[in-house]
Amino acid sequence: DGGITQSPKYLFRKEGQNVTLSCEQNLNHDAMYWYRQDPGQGLRLIYYSQIVNDFQKGDIAEGYSVSREKKESFPLTVTSAQKNPTAFYLCASSIEAGGSYNEQFFGPGTRLTVL
Amino acid sequence: AQSVTQLDSQVPVFEEAPVELRCNYSSSVSVYLFWYVQYPNQGLQLLLKYLSGSTLVKGINGFEAEFNKSQTSFHLRKPSVHISDTAEYFCAVSAPNFGNEKLTFGTGTRLTIIP
Repeated sequence: DGGITQSPKYLFRKEGQNVTLSCEQNLNHDAMYWYRQDPGQGLRLIYYSQIVNDFQKGDIAEGYSVSREKKESFPLTVTSAQKNPTAFYLCASSIEAGGSYNEQFFGPGTRLTVL
Repeated sequence: AQSVTQLDSQVPVFEEAPVELRCNYSSSVSVYLFWYVQYPNQGLQLLLKYLSGSTLVKGINGFEAEFNKSQTSFHLRKPSVHISDTAEYFCAVSAPNFGNEKLTFGTGTRLTIIP
């Protein structure tokens, strides 16, 4: 079955540590996205990538970093510079970038808790 | 830039009753509109989308929405809800000139079905 996988489902981190969230898709989609979800705030775009080896900052990129070395993978690193990292993180993909009519497909999410 | 307002953060409805979830948008250009559903601790799934043409859009699980340009609204409706419809619903907007990365989400409406 085609889809998006995110791992782990739950992640705990001590303050001051970097942590990497995994996102893999087998849909052969060009574009991938990372969103952060907080209660009552909807989804906010962290980073997006339209093609391999290219990515752009979204609305709340500070304290995060990404890479896109392979078409199917788009890992997100939450660095110690992120002041309030506890949140639910969602990865998504769409068939191509530049087509704003395209549906985004979402992974099941990773819940990050900073202790 | 576009924005989305979901007027109700929570909507309780009795089983088999009709429901309407409200969504208003703001944009200086024409838009594409989407409704996504999120079941507890899961990612988002597309319910329906409006790109052009008929203003009444039918989606999955018996949901439909009507695009009203004069009122800048895209309300979601279902004539008879089921327990399984308990979820959070997100309205989202994108603009044809900006590309898929500019998908702006509302803050969500939590639909609770009362048996």
